[in-house]
Amino acid sequence: RKEVEQDPGPFNVPEGATVAFNCTYSNSASQSFFWYRQDCRKEPKLLMSVYSSGNEDGRFTAQLNRASQYISLLIRDSKLSDSATYLCVVTDSSASKIIFGSGTRLSIRP
Amino acid sequence: GAVVSQHPSWVICKSGTSVKIECRSLDFQATTMFWYRQFPKQSLMLMATSNEGSKATYEQGVEKDKFLINHASLTLSTLTVTSAHPEDSSFYICSARGTGSAYGYTFGSGTRLTVV
Repeated sequence: RKEVEQDPGPFNVPEGATVAFNCTYSNSASQSFFWYRQDCRKEPKLLMSVYSSGNEDGRFTAQLNRASQYISLLIRDSKLSDSATYLCVVTDSSASKIIFGSGTRLSIRP
Repeated sequence: GAVVSQHPSWVICKSGTSVKIECRSLDFQATTMFWYRQFPKQSLMLMATSNEGSKATYEQGVEKDKFLINHASLTLSTLTVTSAHPEDSSFYICSARGTGSAYGYTFGSGTRLTVV
């Protein structure tokens, strides 16, 4: 089983739609959780950290469920510029190493 | 914010030659740096973790004699791909974590290596 698993997609949704991504992780002792965004041929960039209490940043909402070892990302009112690959990232138990999911490709159509 | 500078951005080299990639933390001290490799349409795969002043820790399946890592200072880590072959062509990205924070993972802009 992979340490971090994501649905690879691609998700192809119309502009303005709401889209949700899920991610599961295998190590219950994982410390920190993030969503990164990666555009084609570019480096990943931090989108947001994920907390158990849930956190929101504009149109983006992230949620962590430690009991189920599950992380989610919700994008509301999607824009064309949201088209990218979204990477679920988890640190190990000592927070010394970050582990990437395989990414979920999102394509927003006009 | 924390900035990591990586260069070169792209490099084309002949098979059998060595290529050095540099990763610098510009405004913070990076005790730990990570080197990743990404093949087209695949996720980032951790190659090794370099710690300032000590030997790098390589992930399973990564040849330490082929991918030489040096982290001689708190602001610089280098990855040298020795005797490069076409199958080493990939996108290499470094990431740094500064002191005092478990959340400060910053990525370099990546190096696209093409071996011909």
